[in-house]
This record gives sequence, structure tokens and C-alpha cells, in this order.
Amino acid sequence: DAGVIQSPRHEVTEMGQEVTLRCKPISGHDYLFWYRQTMMRGLELLIYFNNNVPIDDSGMPEDRFSAKMPNASFSTLKIQPSEPRDSAVYFCASSFFATYGYTFGSGTRLTVV
Amino acid sequence: KNEVEQSPQNLTAQEGEFITINCSYSVGISALHWLQQHPGGGIVSLFMLSSGKKKHGRLIATINIQEKHSSLHITASHPRDSAVYICAVRSNSGGSNYKLTFGKGTLLTVNP
Repeated sequence: DAGVIQSPRHEVTEMGQEVTLRCKPISGHDYLFWYRQTMMRGLELLIYFNNNVPIDDSGMPEDRFSAKMPNASFSTLKIQPSEPRDSAVYFCASSFFATYGYTFGSGTRLTVV
Repeated sequence: KNEVEQSPQNLTAQEGEFITINCSYSVGISALHWLQQHPGGGIVSLFMLSSGKKKHGRLIATINIQEKHSSLHITASHPRDSAVYICAVRSNSGGSNYKLTFGKGTLLTVNP
């Protein structure tokens, strides 16, 4: 298995633009997590899905952020409109039943200028 | 106060030394994770444990549920072990119990 695949690896965008981050979890994993990492706050959970259904989105900063999982093999995290304070590394992770270890993607480094 | 505290924040060692990184938490947990992140790199899950001890190669993780404390040990450290080590806990309190809370990480540098 290729692991959790995230795209793009790097994204530079201007303030106000829409940004879409993509994630393909490991086949067979039923949990998918979106995390954000910044120097100031470290790693934070944004949202997670179980069997494609959003379970907890309490970490989503505000209405500018939205996430979808239309099927078991694909998820998106969208920021519209983007702001400089959204600059961070966004990680996607998946897990089987969430009782085993998590597998993280390589992350998307987002810079909003 | 953070729910998950790690110590030390930074650690420098010579190749071959025995390393210990500590993690204390303040909530009841169902599981504790140790993660490794190389500079500019992705995150690798090293261990998930809820009791006792686990070993993988030169890495050993222990947890004491009563004391709310976990340690990550590295035996015969090597420069390639240089990375940030992150402790994360999954709370067993109500609500969303698959949510991880992370420590700030320990930056380990192993010099040759």
C-alpha cells in the first residue's frame, strides 16, 4: 500500500483565494483525521470521519473551513477565503477502527500571502 | 496548563547514549501514542499503548496509568534518531473519544 497520500505537498496562495487540500486514506481504514500543525500551537485535530461521516468537527477554526469525505477513498479540506493565519502544515491520517496506530500522510505545507 | 506535558523540550545526546523522554497527562485516557517527526518531514506513529510496555527495535515505550505518565526510551542512540518526538493521548471521557490531544514535542539531537 502506498500509505496515506496527500496533495499538493506545497501550496502558496494569496489571501482571499480558495484552497483545497486532498487526502487518500489507506484502503480499508475506516477513520480519517485532518490535523493542522503550527509552531505556536503544535498539532491540533480539525475534524475526523468514521465511515465517511463527520463525527467531530469541533476543531475546525471557523466557517471558512469545511471538509468532506464523499467516499471511502477520498477527502478534501477546503478553506474559503484563505487568510495568512491559515499558513500551517496540514496532515491527514487514517486508522483502522481507531484502536490501532494512525498512519499519517506527508502533509501539505500551506502558505497564504 | 496543557493536558499533555512533555519533558525535556530539547535534548542533545552523544551517539550511543540511552535516551529518555517523558510525557505526563492530566486526563483519563484510553490510549497514548508516541509519534516521530523528522525535520521538514512527515509524522510516523511509533507506538500506541494503553498499559505496560512495548518494544520495537531500540525503542521502548512504557506507561503507568495510575501515575498518568509515559516514557519513551531509545537505547544506543544514533544520529538518525534525531527528530521531534510527540506524545498524544486519547481521552476516555465522554463525547468524541477518538480525538488526540498532543504534547508540544521533544526535539532530540544525537551527535556523532
